[in-house]
Amino acid sequence: GDSVTQMEGPVTLSEEAFLTINCTYTATGYPSLFWYVQYPGEGLQLLLKATKADDKGSNKGFEATYRKETTSFHLEKGSVQVSDSAVYFCALTLSGGYNKLIFGAGTRLAVHP
Amino acid sequence: DTGVSQDPRHKITKRGQNVTFRCDPISEHNRLYWYRQTLGQGPEFLTYFQNEAQLEKSRLLSDRFSAERPKGSFSTLEIQRTEQGDSAMYLCASIREGELFFGEGSRLTVL
Repeated sequence: GDSVTQMEGPVTLSEEAFLTINCTYTATGYPSLFWYVQYPGEGLQLLLKATKADDKGSNKGFEATYRKETTSFHLEKGSVQVSDSAVYFCALTLSGGYNKLIFGAGTRLAVHP
Repeated sequence: DTGVSQDPRHKITKRGQNVTFRCDPISEHNRLYWYRQTLGQGPEFLTYFQNEAQLEKSRLLSDRFSAERPKGSFSTLEIQRTEQGDSAMYLCASIREGELFFGEGSRLTVL
């Protein structure tokens, strides 16, 4: 079935370090891909998205490129801040699927000063 | 506040009791979703409404679970005869232009 696999956390980094969180997917058809973020005590928020192959989503210094050939959507940021500490979820939706999101298990990021 | 709101934020109950959660979506959104999130896992889809019609239900939604959206506005999720395995965060979301907006969730603890 359709699924999303993320690298396990926690990921612990120092401020200004480079971040990569890996995400791969399995899907029939042509999914749209998303990264959601959950800050402590808050609801899930959309961070970025890409709807077709080779699209790059970006927001708040984060980027992810939809790679159909490797079925991946890795999240990257060049210089993380303490305020980026959160849980990050990779997700997909399928066309015609009522925009139903299928989530990965999440990756916790902790950034230290 | 014009976001998705959920009530209660926390509920502690004894096994076998019934609980009900309420979700108020963003007012102009006609699509509403319920998800369940257990510790260390991503949210799992439970059910979906378009206006008052429940169009899809996950196999996770056993016969002890029922969801309604009677007037196409707010929605309720009821769990009957709760079990310890029902302990989770229950999330509600509504959608605009392909983006889901989530509430902060209702955390259920079944003792």
